[in-house]
Amino acid sequence: GAVVSQHPSRVICKSGTSVKIECRSLDFQATTMFWYRQFPKQSLMLMATSNEGSKATYEQGVEKDKFLINHASLTLSTLTVTSAHPEDSSFYICSAREHGIRHNEQFFGPGTRLTVL
Amino acid sequence: GESVGLHLPTLSVQEGDNSIINCAYSNSASDYFIWYKQESGKGPQFIIDIRSNMDKRQGQRVTVLLNKTVKHLSLQIAATQPGDSAVYFCAERYSGGGADGLTFGKGTHLIIQP
Repeated sequence: GAVVSQHPSRVICKSGTSVKIECRSLDFQATTMFWYRQFPKQSLMLMATSNEGSKATYEQGVEKDKFLINHASLTLSTLTVTSAHPEDSSFYICSAREHGIRHNEQFFGPGTRLTVL
Repeated sequence: GESVGLHLPTLSVQEGDNSIINCAYSNSASDYFIWYKQESGKGPQFIIDIRSNMDKRQGQRVTVLLNKTVKHLSLQIAATQPGDSAVYFCAERYSGGGADGLTFGKGTHLIIQP
């Protein structure tokens, strides 16, 4: 149980285009999902917290107009990188926490490798 | 802001030996700590967690120790196996701040030598 999927696993796009990444909890409902970014040989950095039915909460320094987050259901959150540039190339990872269970662990997705040419 | 750090970026051990990976955290208000394993090109995999009201917790071949006095966290892996080769991250969370996102440490690359 507690499986989180991401789609796509890899994406290559041209500079200036937008890319949407999906994060799904497959066997549980997730009120809250989190989006992280990881550059090569570095740690994960929290970008934003996605709450079902409400606006996402962004970490300091993360542009909300560039990284659009939508959490339309208890099993799906999407991250859209708008007008992507080469510096946005990174490994994007989502995680989800099961609805109604406080202090529960977060389950991570397999990540999405974004390459912007 | 506050961050979680690690002492050793790379740790090389012989297969069968025990490994100890260390982590220093700076937010004394953090009340939940987790160790993750990340293999190349994959998402983090939960290993073990510990709450701030405990100082030790054991799992299968793994033990996490928490020393709140010096704000130190360690992960002990017994009888390391080739499959243990990965990058290990500690992460912390302060549940009372309203935000539940995790703060990750820098990571330690564990290399198992045959």
